[in-house]
Amino acid sequence: ETGVTQTPRHLVMGMTNKKSLKCEQHLGHNAMYWYKQSAKKPLELMFVYSLEERVENNSVPSRFSPECPNSSHLFLHLHTLQPEDSALYLCASSQGLSGYYNEQFFGPGTRLTVL
Amino acid sequence: AQSVAQPEDQVNVAEGNPLTVKCTYSVSGNPYLFWYVQYPNRGLQFLLKYITGDNLVKGSYGFEAEFNKSQTSFHLKKPSALVSDSALYFCAVRDVGGNTPLVFGKGTRLSVIA
Repeated sequence: ETGVTQTPRHLVMGMTNKKSLKCEQHLGHNAMYWYKQSAKKPLELMFVYSLEERVENNSVPSRFSPECPNSSHLFLHLHTLQPEDSALYLCASSQGLSGYYNEQFFGPGTRLTVL
Repeated sequence: AQSVAQPEDQVNVAEGNPLTVKCTYSVSGNPYLFWYVQYPNRGLQFLLKYITGDNLVKGSYGFEAEFNKSQTSFHLKKPSALVSDSALYFCAVRDVGGNTPLVFGKGTRLSVIA
């Protein structure tokens, strides 16, 4: 596969469940991002990893836990979510945060519904 | 701090007419500016960017954008709209001198009517 892939594409979970979202990039990039997209706030940056280290955490509740085991993979672990967490979760990658060619490439997203 | 504003939530245009989606920005130094498009049930796709050089930037699918430093604007344009251009458009900015991720606008929904 090429580009940025995300699995699953759709996820329905109860508030007491634990689940994980997976993102994989095949572009050789060294920075990866999690965004939340909802009708209320169209595009919220959640987490940023650069060279596998977290560099930004935008006041995200602890029920969201990111993990970046290597530069190609990014996870978002979910536990005890709330219905208002229902949204489209987008993963993106880029070559560095400040390099010239730093446009971000996005995956198709995971549509999460919390019941 | 850097920020970007897209003043219109929705833009409607007839097929074949020119379209403009507005974007203004604020950075402390010089900007890198980007446009992305999102089709239904898809992630964002890169359209074009301004880094330096010519103020008129050409991108994918016949889109172009004009960088105007005095007005701090980077409006997206297309001479002749297609129904297939209907989508959500995001403007994004970052400060050239900074080491921070892109900041995205709230998006503008474009509807092209046949």
